[in-house]
Amino acid sequence: DQQVKQNSPSLSVQEGRISILNCDYTNSMFDYFLWYKKYPAEGPTFLISISSIKDKNEDGRFTVFLNKSAKHLSLHIVPSQPGDSAVYFCAASEGSGTYKYIFGTGTRLKVLA
Amino acid sequence: DTGVSQDPRHKITKRGQNVTFRCDPISEHNRLYWYRQTLGQGPEFLTYFQNEAQLEKSRLLSDRFSAERPKGSFSTLEIQRTEQGDSAMYLCASSRGGSGEKLFFGSGTQLSVL
Repeated sequence: DQQVKQNSPSLSVQEGRISILNCDYTNSMFDYFLWYKKYPAEGPTFLISISSIKDKNEDGRFTVFLNKSAKHLSLHIVPSQPGDSAVYFCAASEGSGTYKYIFGTGTRLKVLA
Repeated sequence: DTGVSQDPRHKITKRGQNVTFRCDPISEHNRLYWYRQTLGQGPEFLTYFQNEAQLEKSRLLSDRFSAERPKGSFSTLEIQRTEQGDSAMYLCASSRGGSGEKLFFGSGTQLSVL
């Protein structure tokens, strides 16, 4: 039972354009969401998070949007840079009661110079 | 903030052998997590600790797996009688605690069972 889904295994974008990575979840109890970036042979690195009380959070070139009614979140990267090429994971937590995070399967982003 | 440290980075073992991995979390972090990641998949939750107490274990964690965090600082993950299906990247993460705290991951231990 995959509670967090990233249906696009890969995405290619031209440098300078917008990258949009999508994530869907099934558990309505999830109330905190994070995005991580992972390079080969390294651990995931935190990018940005959003609480369920918000619908948008920005940090520099990265913006996360949350649509609770659709159980959908997306990560926007503008402008995309070649160094953004990595695998991106979304993760979700129910927060109180349990503090484990459930991760999606990841989307491999390739930014073309 | 020295980051989460994992040792070893790579481990090759023969089927049936026991292996042990170590994780040193960020010093002021109360929570420590173990995840496993296989090729093409996201990190899968295995277990987590609040200080020295192991609060939750995934059903993925068979009785061949045991994790400890004896003094609420470093943690060890032991796999007994390894199987080829145990080959994966084992990731450790830590967080301060509380709701909505982000996880800081180590670089992982890549296990190959021959």
